[in-house]
Amino acid sequence: NAGVMQNPRHLVRRRGQEARLRCSPMKGHSHVYWYRQLPEEGLKFMVYLQKENIIDESGMPKERFSAEFPKEGPSILRIQQVVRGDSAAYFCASSSSLGVQRAFFGQGTRLTVV
Amino acid sequence: DAKTTQPPSMDCAEGRAANLPCNHSTISGNEYVYWYRQIHSQGPQYIIHGLKNNETNEMASLIITEDRKSSTLILPHATLRDTAVYYCIVSYSKLTFGKGITLSVRP
Repeated sequence: NAGVMQNPRHLVRRRGQEARLRCSPMKGHSHVYWYRQLPEEGLKFMVYLQKENIIDESGMPKERFSAEFPKEGPSILRIQQVVRGDSAAYFCASSSSLGVQRAFFGQGTRLTVV
Repeated sequence: DAKTTQPPSMDCAEGRAANLPCNHSTISGNEYVYWYRQIHSQGPQYIIHGLKNNETNEMASLIITEDRKSSTLILPHATLRDTAVYYCIVSYSKLTFGKGITLSVRP
């Protein structure tokens, strides 16, 4: 019974490159959430997706960031043209339903932009 | 989502009960109270949740006041491994994390 799997665990990108972060939800979960945690700060909601749909992207930066959760395969958080300020831990969570949010989190991807 | 207020930090002795308070005076009828914790820089861990009634599981107990405006998370026998940031969240949909309370368990 695997939990939420995120990969890679650590990712180093040079400024201007693209970063792709993957999240495989728990089996049977169709709701995925992405959060960002800057160093020494709290977790900030970014986006909430269901299969093939973006439900709430109120926390996503307007430019360079996008997310998808296709019918098959993991959810992807994509950051284009990364800048040093994108360096953070990105956490993914999944749940089986809206409302009762017993969400399970992955161990995160630590993105470092050099 | 309703806002929550937690003290910034507290400590307790190993083996004793840790009682973590949370105020959520603007909670609405369909919002649940959730508690999560984050140990060091790991992914947040679900602890417990409730709507109106008190709840207990293998990790903790959740006491919700009758008016639902506040709650207390109880760790009955705190261990050093319980040192973490604990988040009280009130929500119906997405989880919005505040600053949480840092619990330090001392030997």
